[in-house]
Amino acid sequence: DTGVSQNPRHKITKRGQNVTFRCDPISEHNRLYWYRQTLGQGPEFLTYFQNEAQLEKSRLLSDRFSAERPKGSFSTLEIQRTEQGDSAMYLCASSPPGGIDTQYFGPGTRLTVL
Amino acid sequence: AQKVTQAQTEISVVEKEDVTLDCVYETRDTTYYLFWYKQPPSGELVFLIRRNSFDEQNEISGRYSWNFQKSTSSFNFTITASQVVDSAVYFCALRNTGFQKLVFGTGTRLLVSP
Repeated sequence: DTGVSQNPRHKITKRGQNVTFRCDPISEHNRLYWYRQTLGQGPEFLTYFQNEAQLEKSRLLSDRFSAERPKGSFSTLEIQRTEQGDSAMYLCASSPPGGIDTQYFGPGTRLTVL
Repeated sequence: AQKVTQAQTEISVVEKEDVTLDCVYETRDTTYYLFWYKQPPSGELVFLIRRNSFDEQNEISGRYSWNFQKSTSSFNFTITASQVVDSAVYFCALRNTGFQKLVFGTGTRLLVSP
């Protein structure tokens, strides 16, 4: 069983640049989540998709952040005009349809903004 | 409001010792779910257990056991006969019914030395 995959695993960028991350959920999981984790903290929820619909968004998701899941399969998270405060691990998770909604996490993308 | 508190920042034990990780949660909902995840040095969050608010039975899985007490809003995790491979950061998380986001605590780093 293939788990959640995320690409790239590491990204270093300069302040002001745009970056895009990709998440491929576990096959047949229709729910997909993005979280952000900074050093020494627990993950913080960013957004949630059920199929292609974005149903929940955190206030943490500022106007510079946009997430999409166009065909209800993979998802992308874009950060525009990156700031040093965006440096974090970005985690993606997925869960299956139905009542058992345990979220299974991918390895994350570590973003460093210089 | 939802909140998860893991007061123990770091615990150090010697192999074969038993160790308990504390988790206290706050929620106004009567129906909710509690989770424990393990984050080894590789960084990927690994699901350990999911418990709903109606089920206060303690659970044991091998060397792991969980004690859920609604009266004290606690969901503690015990590792019996710890091993070096148990070294990781452990997160407790809460999800209210009707929302998909997980609210995580700040984690407890467990160091098991040989």
